[in-house]
Formats: sequence, C-alpha cells, structure tokens
Amino acid sequence: KAGVTQTPRYLIKTRGQQVTLSCSPISGHRSVSWYQQTPGQGLQFLFEYFSETQRNKGNFPGRFSGRQFSNSRSEMNVSTLELGDSALYLCASSLFGGGYTFGSGTRLTVV
Amino acid sequence: QQQVKQSPQSLIVQKGGIPIINCAYENTAFDYFPWYQQFPGKGPALLIAIRPDVSEKKEGRFTISFNKSAKQFSLHIMDSQPGDSATYFCAASRAFGNEKLTFGTGTRLTIIP
Repeated sequence: KAGVTQTPRYLIKTRGQQVTLSCSPISGHRSVSWYQQTPGQGLQFLFEYFSETQRNKGNFPGRFSGRQFSNSRSEMNVSTLELGDSALYLCASSLFGGGYTFGSGTRLTVV
Repeated sequence: QQQVKQSPQSLIVQKGGIPIINCAYENTAFDYFPWYQQFPGKGPALLIAIRPDVSEKKEGRFTISFNKSAKQFSLHIMDSQPGDSATYFCAASRAFGNEKLTFGTGTRLTIIP
C-alpha cells in the first residue's frame, strides 16, 4: 500500500515568487491536512481538506492557500514568498480525520 | 499560545534504559493524544495514541501514561535501542482526533550503545 506522496521533495524559490506543492494521499483517504515544520515554531497546522472542502484552517496569512481535488489529491500554494516561509511542508492523510499518516514532506528554501 | 508543552528538549539515554518524555496540555477539550516519531528526512510517524478514558496504553516497547486530573501524559520507551534515536512529538486533538493536531515542541532522543 503506497504511503502519502509529496512532490517535489526539495524546492528553492526566490523571495516574491509563488510556489505550489502537491500531495497524493493514501488510496481511499479523504482527509488531507497540511503542516509547516520549522526549527523555531515546530509543527504548525495550516489547513485540512475533506471531500474537496476546507474543514479547518490554522493561523497563517492569506498567502497560504490550498485545495483538494475529487480524487483527494491536494495542493497548497504560497504566494509572494518570504524568507520566513522556508520550512518543511508536511502533508498528512486519513480516512475521515485522526490517525494521520504523514508524507516525507517538501523542503522549501526561499532565497 | 502554546497549548501542549513538551519536555525535555533533548535526552540522552544508554541502551536498555527507559527514556521518559513528558507533555502537559491546557485545553480540557482535547480528547486524543498521539505520539509521533520522526527520523531525519522523514515525516512524523504515528507511534501510539491514547484517549482520556484510560490511564495507560502499551504497544510493544512503547507505553503512554495519562493523568487526566493533572492534564499530563508521558511516553516511556522500554529496553531502548540505538534505532530509537529520533525526535519524538506529543500531540493533542479534539473530537477523538478528527480535528487538527496541536504538537509539542519535540524531544530529540539519543540512545547510546
């Protein structure tokens, strides 16, 4: 059974650019959550999607957005990148919510 | 506001010892408390989770102790091995895990041979 797949694994972007990260959940999982992990702030919840609807949202600025497709795959977008957006972005999936399985993440570096 | 406090920040234990990691929470609405293990370059992996209706749960060498009145829970690793060296995160959630996870700050555990 394939796990949660995140692409790309590594990304380097310039300040002011935008970026889109992709997440393919475990087959059959309908809930997808995104977390930001940094050494200073730890693991912070970004948002959760369930059946293409955003169900929960964390305390991040509007530059951070996401969406979920009918096949449960999800994307998150960060516009107008700032140096402080450098982080490991983690996607997690579950059947209905809870018992989340995480992917290996996308390491975003903003220069 | 940090709602889950985790300690210690780092821990070094000899092989065979029992590392203990502690967490305390503030929000009494939390009703699901998982522990995650993270190796470098990997995402967190669910180790074990507990609900507040039990005081202890064991899975293999991992045990969660839960004290509802003190709003504290801890992870014990029995017969620790060098392969257990990783960062451990406690977390808490409402609605039996159906809402977002609030994570502790993590404990970097090193098991020395």
